[in-house]
Amino acid sequence: EVQLVESGGGLVQPGGSLRLSCVASGFTFSSHAMTWVRQAPGKGLEWVSGINDSGGTTYYADSVKGRFTISRDNSKKKLYLQMNTLRAEDTAEYYCAKSYGSGSLYYFDYWGQGTLVTVSS
Amino acid sequence: AIRMTQSPSSFSASTGDRVTITCRASQGISSYLAWYQQKPGKAPKLLIYAASTLQSGVPSRFSGSGSGTDFTFTISSLQPEDIATYYCQQYHNLPLTFGGGTKVEIK
Repeated sequence: EVQLVESGGGLVQPGGSLRLSCVASGFTFSSHAMTWVRQAPGKGLEWVSGINDSGGTTYYADSVKGRFTISRDNSKKKLYLQMNTLRAEDTAEYYCAKSYGSGSLYYFDYWGQGTLVTVSS
Repeated sequence: AIRMTQSPSSFSASTGDRVTITCRASQGISSYLAWYQQKPGKAPKLLIYAASTLQSGVPSRFSGSGSGTDFTFTISSLQPEDIATYYCQQYHNLPLTFGGGTKVEIK
């Protein structure tokens, strides 16, 4: 059974940093691209960042480029999102999702339960 | 970025009704379209990919069609457990983009 479990969310002040983690199980982690998708309270889904299977290529939405860094550790089956210079508009539920394939252009066949990030003073 | 426009944004229907949601892409995306279901307080769930391929385990009352810029998602007979928000997503180009969502309620 595929499982994705996020952690690391919480309350942070504007300008602060947070690191999200996602631990995967039930599939060959190193064979799949992974992604982060967020959802602001009461709003729709927004793709944030993706990383290919090897970790050698990363992709970002313009809204987070230069502030967020996605990475992965295939030996630990973990995905990360380092979030710096956080803004109020980054407040959202952050979902880790498994891409069907190994590269960037895919749909997401499994999702974690999400971790809430709140940016507020 | 490719803009995905869903309609309607919300509506009510009765159990057993046929429900249709449309999704329009701002440029052609071939069949690189997925549909997700999100129930309140839960993560999204993949229902359909490649515009019309049903994900394993998804009931056959769900279906999708279309290619290019215009797509349709259909629930052939609405069930109480189908109450959710439905999203389309294109994976033709980066950035990957979602439609704004369609909230389906029971009348």
